[in-house]
Amino acid sequence: DTAVSQTPKYLVTQMGNDKSIKCEQNLGHDTMYWYKQDSKKFLKIMFSYNNKELIINETVPNRFSPKSPDKAHLNLHINSLELGDSAVYFCASSLGKTGALGETQYFGPGTRLLVL
Amino acid sequence: QKEVEQDPGPLSVPEGAIVSLNCTYSNSAFQYFMWYRQYSRKGPELLMYTYSSGNKEDGRFTAQVDKSSKYISLFIRDSQPSDSATYLCASRGTGRRALTFGSGTRLQVQP
Repeated sequence: DTAVSQTPKYLVTQMGNDKSIKCEQNLGHDTMYWYKQDSKKFLKIMFSYNNKELIINETVPNRFSPKSPDKAHLNLHINSLELGDSAVYFCASSLGKTGALGETQYFGPGTRLLVL
Repeated sequence: QKEVEQDPGPLSVPEGAIVSLNCTYSNSAFQYFMWYRQYSRKGPELLMYTYSSGNKEDGRFTAQVDKSSKYISLFIRDSQPSDSATYLCASRGTGRRALTFGSGTRLQVQP
């Protein structure tokens, strides 16, 4: 029973295309996140939503647009893909409360995006 | 300068060795410190969580935070081949939920 799932797992696409990545969590968590992990394994926050409300929006090109239709889902749409967008994108969720139990982030398996 | 710095390794040790993994951070507002473990082609998973300075032990793992020197450590005793993974330290300040991660240290434990 997957706690945080992402689709697709792999995405190979051409420069200039538009693509979406979907994330779903069945943990009943209130907070969801999108991270980007580059080839050097550096994991960087992009966005965070709490109960469908955007609470963190890091310095990310506006070609990236998150959308949370409900608190169990957080999707990421990327317009006009560029070579530099190639990375692994991780979705995560947490209860959204302080403390080890409340803020442990559970990560999905990642979506490996390759832009050609 | 990244807010959280971590030696990328790889660090190779024989089975049974004591492993020391370290991070430094620059943001004085950081209060919460975590270690995540990431196996190849998987998402990170939380190993240790500490608040402010001090030590925390959980089985073979000990996390240490020294806020005066802005130094975070993870010790693994009796290391096992199954500990081979990338270890990411992460920190955050109060109020802000998003974590700032180090770049990860790749550990290989040789049988």
